[in-house]
Amino acid sequence: GAGVSQSPSNKVTEKGKDVELRCDPISGHTALYWYRQSLGQGLEFLIYFQGNSAPDKSGLPSDRFSAERTGGSVSTLTIQRTQQEDSAVYLCASSLEGASWRGRTGELFFGEGSRLTVL
Amino acid sequence: AQTVTQSQPEMSVQEAETVTLSCTYDTSESDYYLFWYKQPPSRQMILVIRQEAYKQQNATENRFSVNFQKAAKSFSLKISDSQLGDAAMYFCAYRRTYSGGGADGLTFGKGTHLIIQP
Repeated sequence: GAGVSQSPSNKVTEKGKDVELRCDPISGHTALYWYRQSLGQGLEFLIYFQGNSAPDKSGLPSDRFSAERTGGSVSTLTIQRTQQEDSAVYLCASSLEGASWRGRTGELFFGEGSRLTVL
Repeated sequence: AQTVTQSQPEMSVQEAETVTLSCTYDTSESDYYLFWYKQPPSRQMILVIRQEAYKQQNATENRFSVNFQKAAKSFSLKISDSQLGDAAMYFCAYRRTYSGGGADGLTFGKGTHLIIQP
């Protein structure tokens, strides 16, 4: 389809294991965001990729979290040594942006998220 | 830093009635976007309506309209003729309009759970 695709949809893992979550953004979208949504909470910004620029990692909660984006397209969020407090829905979004994106809609397009449960 | 506040954790409305969801925000910027996103149980965030701060006219999209009060930094969502399919979490979100470095994504409120009573 033409939307943002995330996998896996659901992931159950044991405490201490590593997990990888994947995001395939809309073709042509230069900006990609990862958010975390804990139960009953709003969305918490994690990391932002824009084109070939260095990512903004200011929202990553600890050094156990990392993300990469290959070829300016697909992104992988990795959580090492998972903890129970990492249980949440991880949402990916993409946006059409650039140095002169003023005049665009400003809208972020979201995937359906990956629900992570750490036992 | 920008903040977005939704003071109603949950709202309930009878089908076919009108409901208003509240949102306030704090920013020192003069130009920005405001959004309402809907999140049904499927988890996907769906854009309901957007407003550009430089536009004085309130945005409308079919049964959805906003009351944008820039001076008061208020951005409420009105849903007319509520339908069962409107039941979802609704998030108010803010985004600045220029790319000034850092994360230029959305700042979200904590959401309002909207219940539609048949």
